[in-house]
Amino acid sequence: DIQMTQSPSSLSASVGDRVTITCRASQAISNYLAWFQQKPGKAPKSLIYAASSLQSGVPSKFSGSGSGTDFTLTISSLQPEDFATYYCQQYNGYPYTFGQGTKLEIK
Amino acid sequence: QVQLVQSGAEVKKPGASVKVSCKVSGYTLTELSMHWVRQPPGKGLEWMGSFDPEHGETIYAQRFQGRVTMTEDTSTDTAYMDLRSLRSEDTAVYYCATAYGDYRGFDYWGQGTLVTVSS
Repeated sequence: DIQMTQSPSSLSASVGDRVTITCRASQAISNYLAWFQQKPGKAPKSLIYAASSLQSGVPSKFSGSGSGTDFTLTISSLQPEDFATYYCQQYNGYPYTFGQGTKLEIK
Repeated sequence: QVQLVQSGAEVKKPGASVKVSCKVSGYTLTELSMHWVRQPPGKGLEWMGSFDPEHGETIYAQRFQGRVTMTEDTSTDTAYMDLRSLRSEDTAVYYCATAYGDYRGFDYWGQGTLVTVSS
């Protein structure tokens, strides 16, 4: 199975900051990487697919990059509604696997 | 726009079975491929299985093999996830997810169904 490792596991930041979350795959997955945002009590929301493609309706403050084994999600100009948990997921092959999540908290 | 509406919360005893439904609107089920994901309380997301149209079969995560069945009723555009021999560790929110276009996508999610397994 492909293991997905996110770092950091938690992150404190202030409104207006720019943050980066990293996701590493245990083997190459090309660009078959998605990012999701989840708020407490809600279903995950798709932000990015194919490593760097923004989902329709998602603000351009979210951006993704990477290929192979190393990927990043960057969020610029943090706003209160951006504080949530973020997950990466690989869909290069079965079983599809998720990272353990990164909890972004207000400093 | 795809919308997924799931059935309501369930409470089951250990050893019982649960069947969660996921009603599709905006598109027909034949145009989509459904995935199922679960999330135990306070924990991360776990993929359970997906329909793979390239191979014409549903692929299940190894740990659920033999205990889970995912089916579809195209006449009502409803997908189902049936989990048997429930144990306390199966207590979780269960989600259906899908995408239009790339069958591997998880672009749209249902609201989730909480399944509680308790004696």
